[in-house]
Amino acid sequence: GQQLNQSPQSMFIQEGEDVSMNCTSSSIFNTWLWYKQDPGEGPVLLIALYKAGELTSNGRLTAQFGITRKDSFLNISASIPSDVGIYFCAGQLYGGSQGNLIFGKGTKLSVKP
Amino acid sequence: DSGVTQTPKHLITATGQRVTLRCSPRSGDLSVYWYQQSLDQGLQFLIQYYNGEERAKGNILERFSAQQFPDLHSELNLSSLELGDSALYFCASSVRLAGTGELFFGEGSRLTVL
Repeated sequence: GQQLNQSPQSMFIQEGEDVSMNCTSSSIFNTWLWYKQDPGEGPVLLIALYKAGELTSNGRLTAQFGITRKDSFLNISASIPSDVGIYFCAGQLYGGSQGNLIFGKGTKLSVKP
Repeated sequence: DSGVTQTPKHLITATGQRVTLRCSPRSGDLSVYWYQQSLDQGLQFLIQYYNGEERAKGNILERFSAQQFPDLHSELNLSSLELGDSALYFCASSVRLAGTGELFFGEGSRLTVL
């Protein structure tokens, strides 16, 4: 099936550092989304991107929809302890059916105070 | 709180058994999605219902089935359970049929098959 390659798999950083993670695919996507999952919870939408080249911010988070439509990145600036969790990219395939999403395997973020 | 309710939160059962997971979507959401999350596979789309009708199928095994009822709640039935079915099962909902990818997830049902 279709796959999203998300990297890195995990990150262990110091509080205050900036974080960058990305997703790539061999397929073209209509939509890129970034979700965060806290322990014991379901994923929560952080940012949604709908146009190639689009750059969108949500507080300290910034995400971009790649020009080729095959990739996206998420940056977190000045990380804080509550940023800990698993970050998932998700994409809706170009020409794909009915809104179901393909998820990357996640980037686990740990923040040292 | 996403507004999506899933029950039970935890379930332990034996191989060969059958279980039913229940989901109540956010008020007003017509579309319900089921996802399976296991350690090595990430989040895998299983199936989508919209206003009572099946609209999309992903990697759902034949031993699994789902339905959406007139009151819009949904149930995922897992039968002839195997050890490998142990996972977190998430329900998500959205307002529209085609959707923009903006899904609201419940807290999940953790299934352990022994």
